[in-house]
Amino acid sequence: EDQVTQSPEALRLQEGESSSLNCSYTVSGLRGLFWYRQDPGKGPEFLFTLYSAGEEKEKERLKATLTKKESFLHITAPKPEDSATYLCAVHRSGAGSYQLTFGKGTKLSVIP
Amino acid sequence: SAVISQKPSRDICQRGTSLTIQCQVDSQVTMMFWYRQQPGQSLTLIATANQGSEATYESGFVIDKFPISRPNLTFSTLTVSNMSPEDSSIYLCSVDYTDTQYFGPGTRLTVL
Repeated sequence: EDQVTQSPEALRLQEGESSSLNCSYTVSGLRGLFWYRQDPGKGPEFLFTLYSAGEEKEKERLKATLTKKESFLHITAPKPEDSATYLCAVHRSGAGSYQLTFGKGTKLSVIP
Repeated sequence: SAVISQKPSRDICQRGTSLTIQCQVDSQVTMMFWYRQQPGQSLTLIATANQGSEATYESGFVIDKFPISRPNLTFSTLTVSNMSPEDSSIYLCSVDYTDTQYFGPGTRLTVL
C-alpha cells in the first residue's frame, strides 16, 4: 500500500527565516511526486512534479528535491504570502494507474 | 494548465437529501476525478470518471451513494445521496492534463 508522511504537521516561521518541509513516501514504483499548495477554502494549486531521484525544481522562493525515499520542499526567505498548507502526493507507475496518494500536509505560517 | 470551476462553492443541506456538484473544465480531458477532503485529513479519491464509460469507485465508495455522470470531455457531476452529517466535507473535482492533476476550487458541504 502506498504511503505518504509529511512533517512537520505545522511550521511557524519568521519572515525571512528559511526552512524545509519533508515528505517521506513508500510506493511500488514511482511515476511522479507532486507538490501542491492549498490556501484555506480553496483547491490545491499545482507547484511541482519530480520524476526521479536527484531531480530538483525551483519556483520563486521554493525548491523541491527528490531522493528514493523522500522529498523536501525548501523555502528560502519566506514571506507572509507563502503561508498555506503544502501537500505532497505520489503517483504510482503502472498501466491505467491514475490515483494520487496524498499526505496530510504541512501547514506553514510565516509571521511578519 | 487546466482551469476548473465547481458549482456550488458551498451548501448547507438537511439529512436525507441529495446534492449534485458540477465540475466544468476549460479543456477537453479524458480523465476526471472526484476527491473528498475531510477536516484535518488528506485528500481521498472517491472515483475516476472517463467519458463514455462507467465511473470506477475506490474502496469504501459506492455508486448508489455517489453517482457520477460524465456526459462529455469537459463536464462531470457528482451526487451525494441520502446525506448524513458524516458526509460533511469538501468535495474536489480534478482532471489529468498533460500528466498532471489539476484541482477545482472545491465544494464545501455541511449536512445538518
